[in-house]
Order: sequence, then structure tokens, then C-alpha cells
Amino acid sequence: GDSVTQMEGPVTLSEEAFLTINCTYTATGYPSLFWYVQYPGEGLQLLLKATKADDKGSNKGFEATYRKETTSFHLEKGSVQVSDSAVYFCALRRQTGANNLFFGTGTRLTVIP
Amino acid sequence: GAVVSQHPSRVICKSGTSVKIECRSLDFQATTMFWYRQFPKQSLMLMATSNEGSKATYEQGVEKDKFLINHASLTLSTLTVTSAHPEDSSFYICSASDRAGPSPLHFGNGTRLTVT
Repeated sequence: GDSVTQMEGPVTLSEEAFLTINCTYTATGYPSLFWYVQYPGEGLQLLLKATKADDKGSNKGFEATYRKETTSFHLEKGSVQVSDSAVYFCALRRQTGANNLFFGTGTRLTVIP
Repeated sequence: GAVVSQHPSRVICKSGTSVKIECRSLDFQATTMFWYRQFPKQSLMLMATSNEGSKATYEQGVEKDKFLINHASLTLSTLTVTSAHPEDSSFYICSASDRAGPSPLHFGNGTRLTVT
């Protein structure tokens, strides 16, 4: 069935370090791919998305490229800030059918000054 | 932006009691709502999908008599955990969409349920 495998973490980085959180997926066809972020005490917020192969989603300095050949959607940021500390979820939505999402386990990122 | 309010954020209850979790869409009409749960170090797993005015559709392995979902209006869905047991302790989170097809999902803040 459809699934998302995400780097487990937790991840601790110093401010201005480079971030990569790996995400791979299993799905038929061409699912849409998402990264959600959950800041402490808040709900999940959409960070970025990509709906077809080779699309690059970007927002707030974060980027992820939809790689069909490697079934991956890794999240990257060149220089993290303390305010980026949160839990990050990779997710997919099937190409057809229901609107629900399949999530990875989430990766907790802590950025220290 | 679209806001989904989920209440309570944390609840502790005794084994055998029932707990109700509310999910409200504050500035849009939620045609469809999804309820997820997350065990420690595991993914958010879809429990059920509810459409306003109709019965919820439960995922395989989710007991519909234990997890009662009501979606009686376009702005409110409730999840009631009946006769809760310690193994029901989990993080429950709702999300809402304003239409049935592909569309942005808006999430509540989640509810941490602890059953003692």
C-alpha cells in the first residue's frame, strides 16, 4: 500500500547549519507530495508541496524536489534558524481518489543558537 | 487563512470512561473531515473520514463502535472515544477540507489523550 518513510530523528543542528530530512515514498502513479511543519503547541501547517515529477516546492527557505526515479522528496534548507525548531512531516496524497494524506513518522528538529 | 480549532488539547481520563474531542472549522465550511491518530514514533494514521450529514467511513482495523464520529454540521465534527482503555492513549488530530476532491487540508492542534 501507499506509505511514506521519513528520517526518524531527532535532529539537532547549530544555527546556520545545512538541513536535510530524508523522505521516500511508495505509491502507484503520481501522488502529490507534501511537507508539513508543526511548531510547538500548534497544528500542522503546510510548508511546501509538489504535484508532479521534477517539481520543486519551496517556502521560507526550505526546498524539496519531487524525484520520481528515486521516489524521494527530501527537505533541505541552506541555513537553519532557531525559529525552525519544529516537527516536520512528509506526506503524500494519492493521484486519484480520496483527499486524505499518508504521513511519515515526523522528524523533530532542534536548532541551537 | 483557514483555521481549525480542536479541543481539548490534552485530556486525562480513567479507564472505562468516554471522552469527546471536538473539531471546528472557524472560517470555512468543512465538507469533509479526517481524524488521525499517532502513536509514539509512528506515523499519523487515518482513522476515519466523515462527510457532513452522512456516516463516517472507517479505515480497516478501526472500531466504529469505539470511536464514534459525528459530523452533524458543516463546522463541527466530534470524535468520542467510548469506554477508553490505556491502549487508546494517543495523539488524535483532525483535519478539514472544504470539498471532497483534492484540496488543501487544514489541521487542528491535536489532542493528547491519556487513559489511566
